[in-house]
Amino acid sequence: QKEVEQNSGPLSVPEGAIASLNCTYSDRGSQSFFWYRQYSGKSPELIMFIYSNGDKEDGRFTAQLNKASQYVSLLIRDSQPSDSATYLCAVKVGNFNKFYFGSGTKLNVKP
Amino acid sequence: GAGVSQSPSNKVTEKGKDVELRCDPISGHTALYWYRQSLGQGLEFLIYFQGNSAPDKSGLPSDRFSAERTGGSVSTLTIQRTQQEDSAVYLCASSLTGVGRNTEAFFGQGTRLTVV
Repeated sequence: QKEVEQNSGPLSVPEGAIASLNCTYSDRGSQSFFWYRQYSGKSPELIMFIYSNGDKEDGRFTAQLNKASQYVSLLIRDSQPSDSATYLCAVKVGNFNKFYFGSGTKLNVKP
Repeated sequence: GAGVSQSPSNKVTEKGKDVELRCDPISGHTALYWYRQSLGQGLEFLIYFQGNSAPDKSGLPSDRFSAERTGGSVSTLTIQRTQQEDSAVYLCASSLTGVGRNTEAFFGQGTRLTVV
């Protein structure tokens, strides 16, 4: 079992719609949760960080964390073609200070 | 420096040759990570440094791969006797230690390795 699981996609949504990306993790010791965006041919860049249960909003992005169910999600409102990328979920386990990355979900936003 | 710096950006080498990839992390970042990414694939963990020691090197694919970090700063990933399956983008990332705010991983631009 992988530490972090994501649906590889591709997830296709029309421009202006809400894109919902999901991630589950296996280690209950996970304490920090991150969403990275990676454009084709580029390095991953951080877009959201969350460590408390509930929702965290930043502009069009909302991260949701449910530690009891061990899942974290990312909602992108008013999706734009420029949001088309691969989204990587990452968790950090306190004892090891190591990042575990999911394999990523490819998002396509169609104009 | 302002960000994670990797060199070279691109490297083409002949099968069987040794290569060295360099990573210069963000100043003050004690944690350093190496990942490998093949075309269209996810990040493959290679090794993690905390300071100069490597508490987790479980991702190194074979004994042809080794890495070191000196002075708690620059790290070098060495691949001996390169094979075509080693062709990939090698990404380095660094972070502060801990799990709180501002401990995210920052990535370098990567080294694209092509073995011919």
